[in-house]
Amino acid sequence: GIQVEQSPPDLILQEGANSTLRCNFSDSVNNLQWFHQNPWGQLINLFYIPSGTKQNGRLSATTVATERYSLLYISSSQTTDSGVYFCAVDPSRASGGSNYKLTFGKGTLLTVNP
Amino acid sequence: DTGVSQNPRHKITKRGQNVTFRCDPISEHNRLYWYRQTLGQGPEFLTYFQNEAQLEKSRLLSDRFSAERPKGSFSTLEIQRTEQGDSAMYLCASSLGLGQPQHFGDGTRLSIL
Repeated sequence: GIQVEQSPPDLILQEGANSTLRCNFSDSVNNLQWFHQNPWGQLINLFYIPSGTKQNGRLSATTVATERYSLLYISSSQTTDSGVYFCAVDPSRASGGSNYKLTFGKGTLLTVNP
Repeated sequence: DTGVSQNPRHKITKRGQNVTFRCDPISEHNRLYWYRQTLGQGPEFLTYFQNEAQLEKSRLLSDRFSAERPKGSFSTLEIQRTEQGDSAMYLCASSLGLGQPQHFGDGTRLSIL
C-alpha cells in the first residue's frame, strides 16, 4: 500500500515563530487532507488539497502532486496550535486506491510554548 | 452544518462485555467511514458505507466487530466480547461523495479494564 511519511516527528516552537511541516507519499493520490488533532483528541479538517496551494488565515498548504509531497505552513504560531498534525492520502485508482480510504501518516507533534 | 456526532464520548467496560457506538454523519453525506486510532498512531481505516451498503471491511475488523448503517443515515459499530487490545479511539467520518473531503467526529474513546 501507499507509504505516508511526515517530518519532523516532533517540533517545539516559541509563540510567534513560523514552521513548515512536510508530508511525502509514495504514489499518486486522488485525495490529500491535512488535519489537526488537538490535545482533547478532536480531529479538525485543515485543508483538502490533492494539488495546488490554499490559504486559511495563518495556515497555508501546498501540494506538488508530480513530486509526491505536501507542505503545511504555520505562521505566527500560537499556543492553541499545539497538537498533532496529520497528513492523510487516498491513492489514485491507477495506484490501487479506493476513492474513499484514507491512509494517515504518523503525524508531527507540535508544541508551542508561550 | 452540525458536524459528525459520535456517542458516547467515553466508554469504560470490563473485558468480555459487548459495546456499541453510534455515529450520526453530516446530513446529506452519503458516505460514512469508521477508523480506529491507538496511542501515538494515526487513524486506521476500518470500514466504509455508501448509503446503507457496507462496501469494504478492513482486515483489522475481526468477526467480533460488526457495523451497520440502516436506512443510510446513522451508523453503529458493535464490538462483542471485548479484549484489552480493543482499547482505542474509534472515529467516524462522513463525506458528500467522490472527491470530497472527509469530516471527522470527536470520536469514542474505549477503555477495557
